[in-house]
Amino acid sequence: GAVVSQHPSRVICKSGTSVKIECRSLDFQATTMFWYRQFPKQSLMLMATSNEGSKATYEQGVEKDKFLINHASLTLSTLTVTSAHPEDSSFYICSTKGGLPETQYFGPGTRLLVL
Amino acid sequence: QQQVKQSPQSLIVQKGGIPIINCAYENTAFDYFPWYQQFPGKGPALLIAIRPDVSEKKEGRFTISFNKSAKQFSLHIMDSQPGDSATYFCAASRNTDKLIFGTGTRLQVFP
Repeated sequence: GAVVSQHPSRVICKSGTSVKIECRSLDFQATTMFWYRQFPKQSLMLMATSNEGSKATYEQGVEKDKFLINHASLTLSTLTVTSAHPEDSSFYICSTKGGLPETQYFGPGTRLLVL
Repeated sequence: QQQVKQSPQSLIVQKGGIPIINCAYENTAFDYFPWYQQFPGKGPALLIAIRPDVSEKKEGRFTISFNKSAKQFSLHIMDSQPGDSATYFCAASRNTDKLIFGTGTRLQVFP
């Protein structure tokens, strides 16, 4: 399967600060990446679809001004949580679409804790 | 119409047992049905996936059964091992795009 990395693996920040999470596709070019959020003991919920060279597509209920997504290259997408609050504390996971047969491969996730 | 319903919520089996996890979907446009395994603090790992043109797919100890008319699919884990203890998620999508995940099944396999 494809290798997807995320950085950092965990981050603790103060309320009101911004946090950037990187997602890298290491072994193939990914024109499309996805960002999911997972609260403890819950399922994964799609937040947005990141398209290389164009604006991200956000799911209903996800604030695009709060969760900024940039997909500037075929191997890197970033998610910035702006003005983070404790309710943004969650496990953020990215995935890339690719491979043969095509599927979605997930990164290891980033644990965000906002104090 | 975008929901994927998964059951049971939790499952306990003994080593060697065959846990079965079931999922049901509503959107007939879905054409890709993967299963993911997730360990605590880790990202989901793809186990096996199926398309609606086949009724069964087997990879190692994992088998997906697919019933297109009933809009249901299930995961069977043969000869389960303690190392299989994890949370399993079914999902569905169209064209491997936006995955809609089930609610997850926490599996515990006791020696």
